Amino acid sequence: GAGVSQTPSNKVTEKGKYVELRCDPISGHTALYWYRQSLGQGPEFLIYFQGTGAADDSGLPNDRFFAVRPEGSVSTLKIQRTERGDSAVYLCASSLTPRVGGDGYTFGSGTRLTVV
Amino acid sequence: DAKTTQPNSMESNEEEPVHLPCNHSTISGTDYIHWYRQLPSQGPEYVIHGLTSNVNNRMASLAIAEDRKSSTLILHRATLRDAAVYYCILRPDSYGQNFVFGPGTRLSVLP
Repeated sequence: GAGVSQTPSNKVTEKGKYVELRCDPISGHTALYWYRQSLGQGPEFLIYFQGTGAADDSGLPNDRFFAVRPEGSVSTLKIQRTERGDSAVYLCASSLTPRVGGDGYTFGSGTRLTVV
Repeated sequence: DAKTTQPNSMESNEEEPVHLPCNHSTISGTDYIHWYRQLPSQGPEYVIHGLTSNVNNRMASLAIAEDRKSSTLILHRATLRDAAVYYCILRPDSYGQNFVFGPGTRLSVLP
């Protein structure tokens, strides 16, 4: 597609429920990234995929968070047993090449997750 | 990760130039300087990047100090649509480095 697409744009869930957030990157982009952004803060790195594999998941806050990219294109971020502190905007980005200094990312508009 | 320091907020009048500063005194020789901006309710958007020389594109100009310890993003003629949070980020030119975002500078443009 023309840009990075994220669905849903908004998600409200009850504490303790399971949620899935979807990211459809730009066609042909092998690298995909998930970030989380709390109000008034810059985006915070969660996980990076190169192709189908998670090359760096050092930003995932705990084992309730998990992400997959089974065919090397669409990715799903999964959050189990959601907590109110998980409320944030979840951003997805993709890039054509693996992470090197001069390469830039294209971000989606994000999914606003609210846990009540 | 090399750190950057930006003012929390700045104001500009519409149709005037804006100079957004960024200090990065611990920059290393292989760090690229990237600028992104984030409009309300959107994801960050690439603005410009450079290594040593000044750079120009259709959105902005990037002026890099000779010692590379600071840089300035220049919007030549601010419009209301330029109101956003601007992030200055250093990214090493080595495989496996993420973009690390700070809080950025919130730019307000006054009509």
